[in-house]
Amino acid sequence: ETGVTQSPTHLIKTRGQQVTLRCSSQSGHNTVSWYQQALGQGPQFIFQYYREEENGRGNFPPRFSGLQFPNYSSELNVNALELDDSALYLCASSSRMGEQYFGPGTRLTVT
Amino acid sequence: AQTVTQSQPEMSVQEAETVTLSCTYDTSESDYYLFWYKQPPSRQMILVIRQEAYKQQNATENRFSVNFQKAAKSFSLKISDSQLGDAAMYFCAYRSAHGSGNTGKLIFGQGTTLQVKP
Repeated sequence: ETGVTQSPTHLIKTRGQQVTLRCSSQSGHNTVSWYQQALGQGPQFIFQYYREEENGRGNFPPRFSGLQFPNYSSELNVNALELDDSALYLCASSSRMGEQYFGPGTRLTVT
Repeated sequence: AQTVTQSQPEMSVQEAETVTLSCTYDTSESDYYLFWYKQPPSRQMILVIRQEAYKQQNATENRFSVNFQKAAKSFSLKISDSQLGDAAMYFCAYRSAHGSGNTGKLIFGQGTTLQVKP
């Protein structure tokens, strides 16, 4: 059984740029959730995708957007990057309302 | 809105000893799940233990057990026979059983860093 994978591992971007982060869900899972974890803090829910549709959103602006593909992999896109977007971005896959299994995360640094 | 609070930013324990990490939460729901996650320096969030609110019996997974006090909205994690590999950041998390908009989103506390001394 393949676990949740994320790419890239690390990323450095400049303020104002755009970034795309990727997540491959665990085999058999149709739901992907994205979280932002600032340094030294707990993860904050960004949004969730279920069967290619956004299925709930946390308190994040519209410049945070996502996609889910037919194979249930997912992308997180962030436009107009700000310094405060520097964080660890975690992806978790699950069956609908089931246990969430996390990937290793992508560390984004905005300079 | 639900909130989760971990009031101990850091804890330390001697190897082979027992340590308890505290967590309190606030909710108006009666049906929910509570979790403890471990995040080592490798950053991968690992599920340690899960508790269903409707179950009175405290969950146990090997050396890890919880003390779930529903009325007090308290959910502490006890680690027995602590090992060096237990050193990590530990997060308490809440999830509604029915989902806010059926998202099943996790609400995390601020975390407790556990140091294990040899």
